[in-house]
Amino acid sequence: AQTVTQSQPEMSVQEAETVTLSCTYDTSENNYYLFWYKQPPSRQMILVIRQEAYKQQNATENRFSVNFQKAAKSFSLKISDSQLGDTAMYFCAFMKAGNAGNMLTFGGGTRLMVKP
Amino acid sequence: GAVVSQHPSRVICKSGTSVKIECRSLDFQATTMFWYRQFPKKSLMLMATSNEGSKATYEQGVEKDKFLINHASLTLSTLTVTSAHPEDSSFYICSASLGFADTQYFGPGTRLTVL
Repeated sequence: AQTVTQSQPEMSVQEAETVTLSCTYDTSENNYYLFWYKQPPSRQMILVIRQEAYKQQNATENRFSVNFQKAAKSFSLKISDSQLGDTAMYFCAFMKAGNAGNMLTFGGGTRLMVKP
Repeated sequence: GAVVSQHPSRVICKSGTSVKIECRSLDFQATTMFWYRQFPKKSLMLMATSNEGSKATYEQGVEKDKFLINHASLTLSTLTVTSAHPEDSSFYICSASLGFADTQYFGPGTRLTVL
């Protein structure tokens, strides 16, 4: 079974600054996918970024980038130039690859507050 | 693209009644849909996985007779909470994916309150 751990229950950052959210996971799988989802106060889950484990290059999406360290089983999210709209719960999630790979395993979440 | 809708967004019902929640993929065909439950300030808890045309697979501890799931088409899955009780009050979220190893896209959620 896989586990995903987010060690920071809450974080805050000043608008326009950079913040990094941590995520570690435990798995015996070699092929898998990792995700960061954002859940703002509206509670709509929004995909932020996706990383394939076989890719060495870190995924980026505009102001969002990840630091994927496969050997360390670490998958942190960096938000640059933080904006007030980034205030949300952020969930790290794991998905196995292959025929059985469809279910998401979520971490406990990190509540991020962006302050003006 | 990849929009998933849920209806209703909020529902209040009396104890003992049944409530149906619909989940639709609006711009893609979803071979697999998922139902989650989320308690306040907590993470998502997977309840069941459903594939079109087959029976849902329930996670351990989820009562299949209480939470009936039907995935009648590639764009629609329904969750029926039967004989609802106050402890069933929660936020229910569905998601949909094209298939194996595909990204899950989430609906906006349904807040169920059982009086």
